[in-house]
Amino acid sequence: AQTVTQSQPEMSVQEAETVTLSCTYDTSENNYYLFWYKQPPSRQMILVIRQEAYKQQNATENRFSVNFQKAAKSFSLKISDSQLGDTAMYFCAFMKHSAGGSQGNLIFGKGTKLSVKP
Amino acid sequence: GAVVSQHPSWVICKSGTSVKIECRSLDFQATTMFWYRQFPKQSLMLMATSNEGSKATYEQGVEKDKFLINHASLTLSTLTVTSAHPEDSSFYICSAARGTSGFSYEQYFGPGTRLTVT
Repeated sequence: AQTVTQSQPEMSVQEAETVTLSCTYDTSENNYYLFWYKQPPSRQMILVIRQEAYKQQNATENRFSVNFQKAAKSFSLKISDSQLGDTAMYFCAFMKHSAGGSQGNLIFGKGTKLSVKP
Repeated sequence: GAVVSQHPSWVICKSGTSVKIECRSLDFQATTMFWYRQFPKQSLMLMATSNEGSKATYEQGVEKDKFLINHASLTLSTLTVTSAHPEDSSFYICSAARGTSGFSYEQYFGPGTRLTVT
């Protein structure tokens, strides 16, 4: 079974600074996807970034980037130039690729509450 | 594009009654939808996987007779909480996997439904 671990329950960062959220996972699969989701106070889940395990290049989306270390099973999220609107819960998630065509579900970590301070 | 709606957004019901929550993919078809439950300050817990035209697959520990899932079309899945009790009070979130065949890593979340049982 796959597990996702986020070891930082809470973090804070000053506006405009950079912060890194940690995530490790455990799996015996070789083909999978990793995600970071943001859940603001509205509780709407918003996809921040996605990484395909077969890609060595780290994914980036504007101010968000990941450090994907497949051998170490580590998938951290870096937020640059933090903004007040980045304040939210951040969840790391894993999805196994299904070659047989069945749809895979997301497995979530426990989340990290990020507060951006003015 | 890729919008998922949930209705209602908030419902209060009396103990012993049933309540139905709808999850709709507005601009895409989804053979598979997922239902999650989220307690305050906790992560999302997968309750069941809903497949159009077939029976839902429930996670271990989830009572299928209590949480009835119907996936009647490629754009609609419903979750009915039967004989609700105060301990069923929670935030329920659905997600829809985009596509009608094979595996898809694209999942989109609804805004959630807050259920309060008095």
